[in-house]
Amino acid sequence: QVQLVQSGGEVKKPGASVKVSCKASGYSFTNYGITWVRQAPGQGLEWMGWISVYNGNTDYAQKFQGRITMTTDTSTSTAYMELRSLRSDDTAVYYCARHINGGISDWFDPWGQGTLVTVSS
Amino acid sequence: QSVLTQAPSASGTPGQRVTISCSGSSSNIGINTVNWYQQLPGTAPRLLIYSNNQRPSGVPDRFSGSKSGTSASLTISGLQSEDEADYSCAAWDDSLNGYVFGTGTKVTVL
Repeated sequence: QVQLVQSGGEVKKPGASVKVSCKASGYSFTNYGITWVRQAPGQGLEWMGWISVYNGNTDYAQKFQGRITMTTDTSTSTAYMELRSLRSDDTAVYYCARHINGGISDWFDPWGQGTLVTVSS
Repeated sequence: QSVLTQAPSASGTPGQRVTISCSGSSSNIGINTVNWYQQLPGTAPRLLIYSNNQRPSGVPDRFSGSKSGTSASLTISGLQSEDEADYSCAAWDDSLNGYVFGTGTKVTVL
């Protein structure tokens, strides 16, 4: 079955970087993109950006431009999201999801289990 | 800051019909399709409706979606206890050049 498995939780100090991985299985990895979404404690979902696995093109949300990098490794069907210059308000659960382009619309399915990143001094 | 507005909560008894609304603008819902995601307590979101009104395989047919102008709705016909969850709408926003989610609606089964 189609599945995305993310790396384990991380605790980071302010100013540090974090790199979360997302390993895909059950489908052709290069035929879809990967989107990253985060959810701060008790808050709603926030889209961070996505990467086309096919050509490596990225599209980042304006809020994160300059401190986020999304990459993929097609040899291991793994996507990565690195966020730099972490602040306390970056504490959140980070999700990856398969990004499906249906022509005139996009959607995310399925989602990884989530990775809790805690930023604390 | 979400640009798609939802009521924070909704409730109903088993078997009732519950409708959740999502209000946007001409730069998002007005010109792009809407998706809905369900998030059970302590779990990752799950795609419930895509392209305004399409159900992925495995999603019960009691869930339906619609869109009109700059608003969208998710209807649960025949509410069940396992439907107790948070529901979020989502759409691409041409002005922000990014994907936006709704504020989320928590559905409680009384």
